[in-house]
Amino acid sequence: QQQVKQSPQSLIVQKGGISIINCAYENTAFDYFPWYQQFPGKGPALLIAIRPDVSEKKEGRFTISFNKSAKQFSLHIMDSQPGDSATYFCAASRTGTYKYIFGTGTRLKVLA
Amino acid sequence: ETGVTQTPRHLVMGMTNKKSLKCEQHLGHNAMYWYKQSAKKPLELMFVYSLEERVENNSVPSRFSPECPNSSHLFLHLHTLQPEDSALYLCASSPSGSETQYFGPGTRLLVL
Repeated sequence: QQQVKQSPQSLIVQKGGISIINCAYENTAFDYFPWYQQFPGKGPALLIAIRPDVSEKKEGRFTISFNKSAKQFSLHIMDSQPGDSATYFCAASRTGTYKYIFGTGTRLKVLA
Repeated sequence: ETGVTQTPRHLVMGMTNKKSLKCEQHLGHNAMYWYKQSAKKPLELMFVYSLEERVENNSVPSRFSPECPNSSHLFLHLHTLQPEDSALYLCASSPSGSETQYFGPGTRLLVL
């Protein structure tokens, strides 16, 4: 019940295309869902996050879609750029705890 | 780069050595974390400190020993490690529990 399942493991997208990464969770007590971006040799950096009271959040080219009934959330990267090539992690946590449960990561490569 | 720094960035050690990893956060946060990142696995939470008290210990072997002397500094003392302990060790901090975690760049550890 503590798992967060992330797919796909890797993704190749043409420049200008849309990148979509999906995550699914089981624990309905989770109420905070961040996405992190990690470049080689760097630590993960927060990209965007959502709470279950909204179904979508957009920041620039990055959008989180959240489906509470399906217990799924996804990251959409519009107009993908080569500089977006990185590993993306979803996570879930519950208010009052210190634990993030991370997905296994998606390695995104955007071709120029 | 975030306000979380880690030293050293790379470390090679033998199984009989004793070494320490250092983390420092300049963000005024109250919570600090150690994670282990291995290839093709989710980030594994090892330890959490809140206001210098350990609040989480995720069944980590005793060859890893954390220390939090104040809210800005966190150490991970290593002794008699195994080759399977080779990984990227990430430090993170957050204002409190269940809020956004900010990661350092990590220490790449190789145990021979």
